[in-house]
Amino acid sequence: DAGVTQSPTHLIKTRGQHVTLRCSPISGHKSVSWYQQVLGQGPQFIFQYYEKEERGRGNFPDRFSARQFPNYSSELNVNALLLGDSALYLCASSLGSGSTEAFFGQGTRLTVV
Amino acid sequence: DQQVKQNSPSLSVQEGRISILNCDYTNSMFDYFLWYKKYPAEGPTFLISISSIKDKNEDGRFTVFLNKSAKHLSLHIVPSQPGDSAVYFCAASARMTGYSTLTFGKGTMLLVSP
Repeated sequence: DAGVTQSPTHLIKTRGQHVTLRCSPISGHKSVSWYQQVLGQGPQFIFQYYEKEERGRGNFPDRFSARQFPNYSSELNVNALLLGDSALYLCASSLGSGSTEAFFGQGTRLTVV
Repeated sequence: DQQVKQNSPSLSVQEGRISILNCDYTNSMFDYFLWYKKYPAEGPTFLISISSIKDKNEDGRFTVFLNKSAKHLSLHIVPSQPGDSAVYFCAASARMTGYSTLTFGKGTMLLVSP
């Protein structure tokens, strides 16, 4: 039974470029959340999507955007990359928007050079 | 403004002894608390949780205690095993808001030596 899958696992981008990260939730889960984890910190909430609608947004600039598809998979997009965007990006899936047990993927390690 | 604080960056314990990881929070809206365990190059793995209506929850070797008046929770691991060596994150959620995002602490690295 597949857990949360994220792709790619690693990525290197140049400053100013754009990146798209992908996430497939656990089968039956309708909510996907994105978190950013920089070295030495805990994960920071970026977005939550439920039934293709944005349900929450963390304190991140407009360069960050996301969407959820009819099959509940999700994409996180980051434009005009900065060195400070280098981090582990984690996707979490849960049954519903009010569900508190979130299950995380292995993350995408983004390095901006 | 850190709403969830894990003040000990690291903890070393001998195999078989008790590990106690601590977490403090400041936001009174938090009503659900979780502990996650993270190995390098993996995503966080859910360990145990507790609702604010309880003061204790137990699952095998893991017990979480919640002291609402002190806004403090702790995770006890008994007995500790070398495979428990990982970074442990405390997280909190405000379910009453209708959607549940998690606010994490910075983590505590636990090292259990044989």
